[in-house]
Amino acid sequence: ILNVEQSPQSLHVQEGDSTNFTCSFPSSNFYALHWYRWETAKSPEALFVMTLNGDEKKKGRISATLNTKEGYSYLYIKGSQPEDSATYLCAFLSGYSTLTFGKGTMLLVSP
Amino acid sequence: EAQVTQNPRYLITVTGKKLTVTCSQNMNHEYMSWYRQDPGLGLRQIYYSMNVEVTDKGDVPEGYKVSRKEKRNFPLILESPSPNQTSLYFCASSFAGGSTDTQYFGPGTRLTVL
Repeated sequence: ILNVEQSPQSLHVQEGDSTNFTCSFPSSNFYALHWYRWETAKSPEALFVMTLNGDEKKKGRISATLNTKEGYSYLYIKGSQPEDSATYLCAFLSGYSTLTFGKGTMLLVSP
Repeated sequence: EAQVTQNPRYLITVTGKKLTVTCSQNMNHEYMSWYRQDPGLGLRQIYYSMNVEVTDKGDVPEGYKVSRKEKRNFPLILESPSPNQTSLYFCASSFAGGSTDTQYFGPGTRLTVL
């Protein structure tokens, strides 16, 4: 079983703060890195799928970068809002079909 | 509406009583997968299916069975449930099992085995 680490485990910020999380994964046999957003009592929803070293993706105030050579991805949220409160999951695809998830970073944004 | 549905959403059962959790998608996706979520652990893959009649084990397949007789359905079968299978289960699907395909998750099934 592959090791996918996310840090920090949880984060509490004030509305308007910018924040970032890290996802670390094995640097060998890389196929793709997924980011999902998971709100309490809902299903995980896809944010990004990243496949190339140096990839940068953006969706509104959320963006992500990818470094496959060193095995990490950053997720950034600019100007956090209370509605951004959720658990953010990354998942590493090493083979054609097996997606390994990290334990997630739980974000709480206070008004 | 494009969606993945699971039934039941909640289930309390007893040890040894066979059960099936259904999963259905209406997006004509080839790839379907089952995960379980436990406190302190990430989503762990149980089984996946690349297409009809093609299934394979994920990271934690013990105690589970699946079948893929139709493209839209991927039921999860617990032949003899045990308390350590108490968990939150998610079904997911994607167009194919390739690296660029995001997965669409069902609403989850919370299972308690007494």
